[in-house]
Amino acid sequence: EAQVTQNPRYLITVTGKKLTVTCSQNMNHEYMSWYRQDPGLGLRQIYYSMNVEVTDKGDVPEGYKVSRKEKRNFPLILESPSPNQTSLYFCASSSGQGGQETQYFGPGTRLLVL
Amino acid sequence: AQSVTQLGSHVSVSEGALVLLRCNYSSSVPPYLFWYVQYPNQGLQLLLKYTSAATLVKGINGFEAEFKKSETSFHLTKPSAHMSDAAEYFCAVSRPRGNDMRFGAGTRLTVKP
Repeated sequence: EAQVTQNPRYLITVTGKKLTVTCSQNMNHEYMSWYRQDPGLGLRQIYYSMNVEVTDKGDVPEGYKVSRKEKRNFPLILESPSPNQTSLYFCASSSGQGGQETQYFGPGTRLLVL
Repeated sequence: AQSVTQLGSHVSVSEGALVLLRCNYSSSVPPYLFWYVQYPNQGLQLLLKYTSAATLVKGINGFEAEFKKSETSFHLTKPSAHMSDAAEYFCAVSRPRGNDMRFGAGTRLTVKP
């Protein structure tokens, strides 16, 4: 089954404790992206990647890191989480570059930073 | 930069009534427009998209949207609401050769029996 998977689905952590949220897709997609979803703000793009070893900032990259060492994986790293990073995070992928491509979303990771 | 505005954070309709969710966009170039739906505790899935072909776009589950350049709108409609349509709906815009899809704040649709 074609899908985007994220782990963990739920995470409670404390301020300053490094964490990684994994994202993997099995569709051989070139493009992958991370979003955060906050009430009243919709989804905002954190980082995206157009291919292996190619990443770029989205609208809200502060406090986050990403890497793209393999085509299928695109982990999101919070090196020193803070309470304002409490949010619902989605990973997405699409088959090509260009604005017309449909993005396929993972199920989401709900993060609480105390 | 492109953006979208969704009018109404909450919309409530009765089962069988018309669904109308409003979306207006801003873009300096001809846009691509999307509607995504999010069911509780799930990720987003595509309902339909406009990519400069027909201005009336039909999607899944009986939804459709019409691109109106003169009104910079891309409203989502469904003639008859079903209980299973209750969800949050997001309008999104992107550019040709762009990698930065922008989402609206979302509209939560409630369907009353």
